[in-house]
Amino acid sequence: GQNIDQPTEMTATEGAIVQINCTYQTSGFNGLFWYQQHAGEAPTFLSYNVLDGLEEKGRFSSFLSRSKGYSYLLLKELQMKDSASYLCAAMTTDSWGKFQFGAGTQVVVTP
Amino acid sequence: DGGITQSPKYLFRKEGQNVTLSCEQNLNHDAMYWYRQDPGQGLRLIYYSQIVNDFQKGDIAEGYSVSREKKESFPLTVTSAQKNPTAFYLCATFGAGGPGDEQFFGPGTRLTVL
Repeated sequence: GQNIDQPTEMTATEGAIVQINCTYQTSGFNGLFWYQQHAGEAPTFLSYNVLDGLEEKGRFSSFLSRSKGYSYLLLKELQMKDSASYLCAAMTTDSWGKFQFGAGTQVVVTP
Repeated sequence: DGGITQSPKYLFRKEGQNVTLSCEQNLNHDAMYWYRQDPGQGLRLIYYSQIVNDFQKGDIAEGYSVSREKKESFPLTVTSAQKNPTAFYLCATFGAGGPGDEQFFGPGTRLTVL
C-alpha cells in the first residue's frame, strides 16, 4: 500500500533548529516534496528531492535517502512566522503526476 | 500574472444541494487536481486529470464529479451523495514533470454545508 508518515506536532523555541522526519512507502517513487501550510491557507512549495543527499535553501534544508524511504526537513534559526504545518508528499509512478501526502507536522515556535 | 483561481473563498450550502467549485489556471499546465483537507489532516486526493477530456478517480472520489473540457478549467461538483462535504477544498496543477517541478495550489474554497 501507500503510506507517508510524519510526526503530528513539534515544538521549538525561536532561534532553535527543528528536524521533521518523513518516511514513505509508495508504489514507485519519483521525488519527495515538502510544503509549508499556514492555517486556512494553501500549501506553498519548500523543496524537492529526487536524488539521495541534502538540498539547502537558506534556512531550510531537505534530505533524502531513497534506500531507506526517508526524508527530513531541517528548519534553522526558527522564527515565529515558521509556526505552520509542514507537509511531506511523495510523487508516485503508478500514474504520472500523482502525489501522496502525509498528514502534516504542526510546528509550534515559542518565544 | 500566472496562477490558479478558485472561487468563491467561502461557500455555504444547504444539505441535499449539489454545489460546483471552480478552478481556473493560466499556467498552461497539463495536470490538475482536487484535494480535500479536513481539520488537522493532510490532503486527500479526490480526482485528477492529466489531459483534457480525461480524468481519474483519486482516493476519495465517492460523492464527487468533475469535468475537464478545457485545459484551463477543472470544476468539481460536490453532490448530495457526499456524506460529509464540509471541508477545505484545494485545486492544484502540475507542469511537465521535469526536475524541481512542483505542484502549484490555488487559494482554496472552504465549503460549509448547513
